[in-house]
Amino acid sequence: GENVEQHPSTLSVQEGDSAVIKCTYSDSASNYFPWYKQELGKGPQLIIDIRSNVGEKKDQRIAVTLNKTAKHFSLHITETQPEDSAVYFCAASKGNAGKSTFGDGTTLTVKP
Amino acid sequence: NAGVTQTPKFQVLKTGQSMTLQCAQDMNHNSMYWYRQDPGMGLRLIYYSASEGTTDKGEVPNGYNVSRLNKREFSLRLESAAPSQTSVYFCASSPLGGQVTDTQYFGPGTRLTVL
Repeated sequence: GENVEQHPSTLSVQEGDSAVIKCTYSDSASNYFPWYKQELGKGPQLIIDIRSNVGEKKDQRIAVTLNKTAKHFSLHITETQPEDSAVYFCAASKGNAGKSTFGDGTTLTVKP
Repeated sequence: NAGVTQTPKFQVLKTGQSMTLQCAQDMNHNSMYWYRQDPGMGLRLIYYSASEGTTDKGEVPNGYNVSRLNKREFSLRLESAAPSQTSVYFCASSPLGGQVTDTQYFGPGTRLTVL
């Protein structure tokens, strides 16, 4: 089955700096890659996603890039703010029913 | 809209006890999911229901059963709880059903401890 590895497991940055989280996947048939943000005590929430026919997608301070050949994708957050502090999960999906394989998560801390 | 709601928020069980975790969504979504989240790990799919009347096993189904009661409700049952089932359980729903790009909406979670 699909295997998703996520790095780093923890990331600490100063407010205003950029943060990058990387994921690799094993199944070349995966074609949808969502990113979720989980705040303390809450469920994950989708923040951005990308399909396999697209190389990059941006939404304000957040961007995701995908390299299908290397089977990796990354989340980029620019101009980080304290409210960006949370756990971020990547995931990879293929086939039906929206089933996803999740990475183990990255705890991002943005220091004021 | 309340979105996805889960009850209870917290539960402590003794080994061997049974319980049912309840999940409901008010977004008229077709698909629903149950995940567990263990410390330092991502979410692992227990069971899912692509549409009303259907259920399928996910990655870690052993020790669990599910019921898709109607389009709104999807319950998870632990028949004989074990300490290995101590975890945070999340229910999710997605609108379209059967499509890989379907966005999932998560509930707030149930924190379960089995002693």
